Amino acid sequence: QQQVKQSPQSLIVQKGGISIINCAYENTAFDYFPWYQQFPGKGPALLIAIRPDVSEKKEGRFTISFNKSAKQFSLHIMDSQPGDSATYFCAAGATPLVFGKGTRLSVIA
Amino acid sequence: DAGVTQSPTHLIKTRGQHVTLRCSPISGHKSVSWYQQVLGQGPQFIFQYYEKEERGRGNFPDRFSARQFPNYSSELNVNALLLGDSALYLCASSLGTGTGGYTFGSGTRLTVV
Repeated sequence: QQQVKQSPQSLIVQKGGISIINCAYENTAFDYFPWYQQFPGKGPALLIAIRPDVSEKKEGRFTISFNKSAKQFSLHIMDSQPGDSATYFCAAGATPLVFGKGTRLSVIA
Repeated sequence: DAGVTQSPTHLIKTRGQHVTLRCSPISGHKSVSWYQQVLGQGPQFIFQYYEKEERGRGNFPDRFSARQFPNYSSELNVNALLLGDSALYLCASSLGTGTGGYTFGSGTRLTVV
């Protein structure tokens, strides 16, 4: 199976709060797990990515947690800001990337 | 350094027509991939080209074709357009065919009427 299941579909978070988006994959051959951020009218931009040999990766306010045995990974956005309001996509694979359906994040003041 | 450049940015076509979308990768990147993003969905893989050869093809009909030129730029062609082809078409470039390192362009918004 090549699916990547992403949840929730939409998320509203208070400014300063933590945003958490989850993804699950099925293909154990996948070896690259990126998260992309997309603003309206723009292409997806790479936020952060992880390989399956580590369980966590942090870059600034963004953290990926990876659970290989459960075939799940998640994005945590700490201290969420209104400027983080966008659609977030998880993806998995090699070539090609298989994308989730996206999570629309709204950060409200 | 310029990013991935796609043209045109917007396009309106009639059912049954043909369309050509263009992509210039980041300088030094030899691989170009095409993705289709329908409104409200994640991007879906159409093609990957590396060194002018097709290296992968997604689950799209033969109406979709592509090619890569010696300067690594690429074209995506769609024949006999259907209303369902309306989408944002994204081009991603990368150094090679290995995992990671994809940079997406802003896309071409195709509307079929």
